[in-house]
Amino acid sequence: QKEVEQNSGPLSVPEGAIASLNCTYSDRGSQSFFWYRQYSGKSPELIMFIYSNGDKEDGRFTAQLNKASQYVSLLIRDSQPSDSATYLCAGTSSGGSNYKLTFGKGTLLTVNP
Amino acid sequence: DTGVSQNPRHKITKRGQNVTFRCDPISEHNRLYWYRQTLGQGPEFLTYFQNEAQLEKSRLLSDRFSAERPKGSFSTLEIQRTEQGDSAMYLCASSLSTGGSFLAGGNQPQHFGDGTRLSIL
Repeated sequence: QKEVEQNSGPLSVPEGAIASLNCTYSDRGSQSFFWYRQYSGKSPELIMFIYSNGDKEDGRFTAQLNKASQYVSLLIRDSQPSDSATYLCAGTSSGGSNYKLTFGKGTLLTVNP
Repeated sequence: DTGVSQNPRHKITKRGQNVTFRCDPISEHNRLYWYRQTLGQGPEFLTYFQNEAQLEKSRLLSDRFSAERPKGSFSTLEIQRTEQGDSAMYLCASSLSTGGSFLAGGNQPQHFGDGTRLSIL
């Protein structure tokens, strides 16, 4: 069973701080990784995706990928109360099933004003 | 860009009844996916279409579940003889693939609709 594990949280940070969300995966053949944000009762919304080792920055968000360690992370700088949501990490399956996403259970982030 | 549209948003039904959900993907997207999400869990893959062809079905998709995508446009997911355990959020996603890897830009990320929440009484 190929799995994606996330730090279960909940994670609470003060407004303006850096929030760090982590994820590990077991499928060594996974090529691409995605971070989705999900507000309560709403659908997942794509935040970032990464497929190369290293960092990828987009505004206040930075995704990091280390394929040797099978580790993905998301940093949110200058956290805002509107960032409070569940963050889902997902990876593609290896080989011919690279269209299929395997999700972690999500990490609930609360940003306190 | 109108996004992925799902109907209905909520469905309440009695155990044993049949239900059908509809998904309209982003218009130029050739791939369509169905996922199921229960409380406290991430979405779980159910099935996938490339245009009108259903190319994979998860073992989670029992014989009571059937999905179609006629003409490669909208898709329907039907559940027959619903059971309590079918209560969940059913999510549809779509993406564009022109062949190749994400790295080469030939496989784009999946975008989700708002989901259909199914409650079985």
